[in-house]
Amino acid sequence: QQQVKQSPQSLIVQKGGISIINCAYENTAFDYFPWYQQFPGKGPALLIAIRPDVSEKKEGRFTISFNKSAKQFSLHIMDSQPGDSATYFCAASIGGYNTDKLIFGTGTRLQVFP
Amino acid sequence: NAGVTQTPKFRVLKTGQSMTLLCAQDMNHEYMYWYRQDPGMGLRLIHYSVGEGTTAKGEVPDGYNVSRLKKQNFLLGLESAAPSQTSVYFCASSLGLAGVIREQYFGPGTRLTVT
Repeated sequence: QQQVKQSPQSLIVQKGGISIINCAYENTAFDYFPWYQQFPGKGPALLIAIRPDVSEKKEGRFTISFNKSAKQFSLHIMDSQPGDSATYFCAASIGGYNTDKLIFGTGTRLQVFP
Repeated sequence: NAGVTQTPKFRVLKTGQSMTLLCAQDMNHEYMYWYRQDPGMGLRLIHYSVGEGTTAKGEVPDGYNVSRLKKQNFLLGLESAAPSQTSVYFCASSLGLAGVIREQYFGPGTRLTVT
């Protein structure tokens, strides 16, 4: 059962454009929402994360928008660059004593063309 | 600081053979995880550990076993490999301070093919 739904599956953006990836979740107990970036042949690496008490978080060109009532969150990449070409995964987890398991979305392959 | 390392990087097995994947971290992290990554399915948690000597099942534990005898190591075993276990396996670790710092650090992966 997919608890975190991610779209689109793939995305092609021109250099300088805005890339937007969306995720929706079902479990309202999730309290941590990270985005991971993965380059071919490498392991995923944390890009940016947000908690549900915040509606937006920005780090450089990367912004997470969070809509608690709609149970949705999205990643915006401003001024997209060819170096941003990678696969992006959203995730969610419930923190607690002796548990912190991430549930991942299915991933979005982003290609940024010059 | 090597971070999270995985051994081996590639492996080809025949159906029914067994093997062990080794994960090591040098960050003194409490929590460690094993994931598998398949096309179109994201990363799915196989097993995890919240401390030395402890293990627990994740989303897809069937056909796998794990052990955490030392804090820095987390082993994933396949007792009788099946073609459905062809995948890329990632190990990850995190501090374990739930609610404080929750970033998971991933290793470079092991590509396993079962024929």
